[in-house]
Amino acid sequence: DSGVTQTPKHLITATGQRVTLRCSPRSGDLSVYWYQQSLDQGLQFLIQYYNGEERAKGNILERFSAQQFPDLHSELNLSSLELGDSALYFCASSVEGTGWDGYTFGSGTRLTVV
Amino acid sequence: GDSVTQMEGPVTLSEEAFLTINCTYTATGYPSLFWYVQYPGEGLQLLLKATKADDKGSNKGFEATYRKETTSFHLEKGSVQVSDSAVYFCALSDRQGQAGTALIFGKGTTLSVSS
Repeated sequence: DSGVTQTPKHLITATGQRVTLRCSPRSGDLSVYWYQQSLDQGLQFLIQYYNGEERAKGNILERFSAQQFPDLHSELNLSSLELGDSALYFCASSVEGTGWDGYTFGSGTRLTVV
Repeated sequence: GDSVTQMEGPVTLSEEAFLTINCTYTATGYPSLFWYVQYPGEGLQLLLKATKADDKGSNKGFEATYRKETTSFHLEKGSVQVSDSAVYFCALSDRQGQAGTALIFGKGTTLSVSS
């Protein structure tokens, strides 16, 4: 157990729907990162939050949004889902916003859009 | 923008063979470099890191040296075991890049070791 908790582990939904993925960072970590892992694109950085504020943005679609709450858990919202959104979504956390000591990853949420 | 290029796999080796997985990078500033490993059904785990040129990261028999002149960070292990079978990701964190300090990953290299 890495200490980073992601729920749900698996999610199957239909095109056009909206889903919310949840991440609880490791105790003491202030920064949360979201990544999308697919076979063709590999691991793509989506967005980073540090202590409740957005810190950096990567290749995140406009249909996707995220936030980090006062208790430091984070949610990734995916809307108007398309077949191509099927992927593994990872959350990672780090103590500070730099990640120099590396991240701690959760075990991911596997999203299947049918 | 910043990017990481890894050798394509899969890499298939016999137990006790020597391993090299090539990794090169492009970065705006002076990045830190990392190797992560992903075992089946699990998240990524930090394997080793190097934060400046000529640094050598090492862990569990794996090594990688930060080569600024060749913009490379190749992963090596002298004698692989079946338990090393996994996907290996090279990554960089470039404070001056577009992604801030977020890690930029290569596409991963699958290693399969047989006994």
